[in-house]
Parts: sequence; structure tokens; C-alpha cells
Amino acid sequence: DQQVKQNSPSLSVQEGRISILNCDYTNSMFDYFLWYKKYPAEGPTFLISISSIKDKNEDGRFTVFLNKSAKHLSLHIVPSQPGDSAVYFCAASANLRGGTSYGKLTFGQGTILTVHP
Amino acid sequence: DVKVTQSSRYLVKRTGEKVFLECVQDMDHENMFWYRQDPGLGLRLIYFSYDVKMKEKGDIPEGYSVSREKKERFSLILESASTNQTSMYLCASSIQGFGQPQHFGDGTRLSIL
Repeated sequence: DQQVKQNSPSLSVQEGRISILNCDYTNSMFDYFLWYKKYPAEGPTFLISISSIKDKNEDGRFTVFLNKSAKHLSLHIVPSQPGDSAVYFCAASANLRGGTSYGKLTFGQGTILTVHP
Repeated sequence: DVKVTQSSRYLVKRTGEKVFLECVQDMDHENMFWYRQDPGLGLRLIYFSYDVKMKEKGDIPEGYSVSREKKERFSLILESASTNQTSMYLCASSIQGFGQPQHFGDGTRLSIL
């Protein structure tokens, strides 16, 4: 049962254009969302996050949008650069009151982004 | 900067062997995690630990165990390795608390022959 889904295995864009990576989730208990970037032969690195009390968070060229009613989030990269070529994972966390979530994350399958010069 | 170090980048073992994967973090993080990454499946949580000697099962714990005797070190053990455990294994750590990002090591590519 995949609670976090990235339905596009890959995305190809031209340098300078916008990259939009999408993520859907099914668990309504999720209330914090993160995006990670992963280069080959390296571990994932944290990129940007958003709490469920917000619908947008921006950090430089990266913006994450959250639509809670649709259980959908997206990562926008503007402008895209060849160095952005990597696998992007979205992840979700539930703050379980009285439970032991302890920062446990549920990851999507990943989307391979290729930015062409 | 947080440093999470996994003892081996590549490892080749035989079916039935007991395999140890080691992970060390240098930031005094309470939480540590073990994942495996497989094509089309993303990162799946095997086990995590929120304190020394404390552990909880993740989504796919079967065939694995873990050990956390010291705060900085978290070991993943394959009790009797099988070919379906060939994968990329990733260790991560984080501060305890809601919304804290996890910091990952560079992974161990494990092949079981």
C-alpha cells in the first residue's frame, strides 16, 4: 500500500525552463512534507519542506506547493539548471500525538529529473 | 555539517551468510534509520531507533535485525542473507522532534550471490 506516490518516473526539461515534480498521498494523518534530491552514488540530501498549516514554501529557485484537499504537493524549480539533474523523492511525516512517530518518513518512488543544456 | 558514515560502499556476500552493515553519525542525533532503495519502490524503512537500545520495526523488517549499543552507531544485520536482499542500503539520522529532516549516508550497495 503506497501511501506516498510519485506517478511520473521521469521528467525531462530544457535548461532555464520550469521543472514541476508532483507527489500524491493517501494518509490524511500526514502533516509535514519534505523533498529530497539524490545524485548517483550519494545519499539523498534534504531540499525543502512544508508544514500542513501552509500552502506554499519558497527557498531560492525551489518552491513547494501543498493542496491538502487534493492530498497533492508539487515542487517547482525555476529556472532549471543541468546540475538539478537527479532523482527527487517526496516524503511525508505524521505527528502522532502520544504515538512514537519519532520523525519517521514515508517516501515516494522518486522521479528522475533530467535538465538538458 | 552532519556526517553520516556507512562502513562500506560496496559489499558482496553469499547466500546464507550473516551480514553486518554499520552506520555512524557524528551529530549526537537521537534518531537513526535504515532504509533500502530499490528501482520503482523508492526508499522503504527497515528499522529505526529513537534511543540507545531502543528500536522499532519499519515497513519491511522481515529478514533483518538491528543493534544500537551506542548513540552514534546503528547496525543493520541480515541474519541469513538471501538474493532478494540485494539492494542499496541507506542509513540516516535526525534530531528528535516533529518535522526534523533526516541526514543520509552515501549508501552501501550490497550484492548477495
